[in-house]
Amino acid sequence: EAQVTQNPRYLITVTGKKLTVTCSQNMNHEYMSWYRQDPGLGLRQIYYSMNVEVTDKGDVPEGYKVSRKEKRNFPLILESPSPNQTSLYFCASSSRGDTEAFFGQGTRLTVV
Amino acid sequence: EDQVTQSPEALRLQEGESSSLNCSYTVSGLRGLFWYRQDPGKGPEFLFTLYSAGEEKEKERLKATLTKKESFLHITAPKPEDSATYLCAVQPLSGTYKYIFGTGTRLKVLA
Repeated sequence: EAQVTQNPRYLITVTGKKLTVTCSQNMNHEYMSWYRQDPGLGLRQIYYSMNVEVTDKGDVPEGYKVSRKEKRNFPLILESPSPNQTSLYFCASSSRGDTEAFFGQGTRLTVV
Repeated sequence: EDQVTQSPEALRLQEGESSSLNCSYTVSGLRGLFWYRQDPGKGPEFLFTLYSAGEEKEKERLKATLTKKESFLHITAPKPEDSATYLCAVQPLSGTYKYIFGTGTRLKVLA
């Protein structure tokens, strides 16, 4: 089954404790992306990647890092999480940068 | 500045009562406009992509249209299972491949 898998689904952590949210797709897609979704603000793009070793900033990249060492994986790294990064996070992939995106199930992160 | 505005924020319809959702955008050139459906607690699910003004696409009770400044998602004779949040996203024609999402329209269809 074609899918985008994020882990974990839920995470509660403390301020400053580094964490990684994993994202994997099994569709051999070139393009992958991370979003955060907040009430009243909608989905905002954090980072995206056009291909292996190629990443670029979205609209809200501050406080986040990404890497794309393999085509199927695109982890999101929070080196020093803060409470304002409490949000619902989605990973997505698409065959190219301008085609339909497939989204993961979401990761609900709470930073206390 | 690139911007996407969706209206209304929320919409309640009786089953069978047709209506339209609006997505207005301001971008310096449009590479593509996308419609997604999102159910509570789930990731968005792709509906349509429109690339040029005048383009229309249909799927079951949904029809998406595109002009140079806005897109409409027409819902004909909706059913309760059409209840969801509908998201619009644009991709500007600039050198990057960023996406800009609107804040969505929450649709509730009453039986």
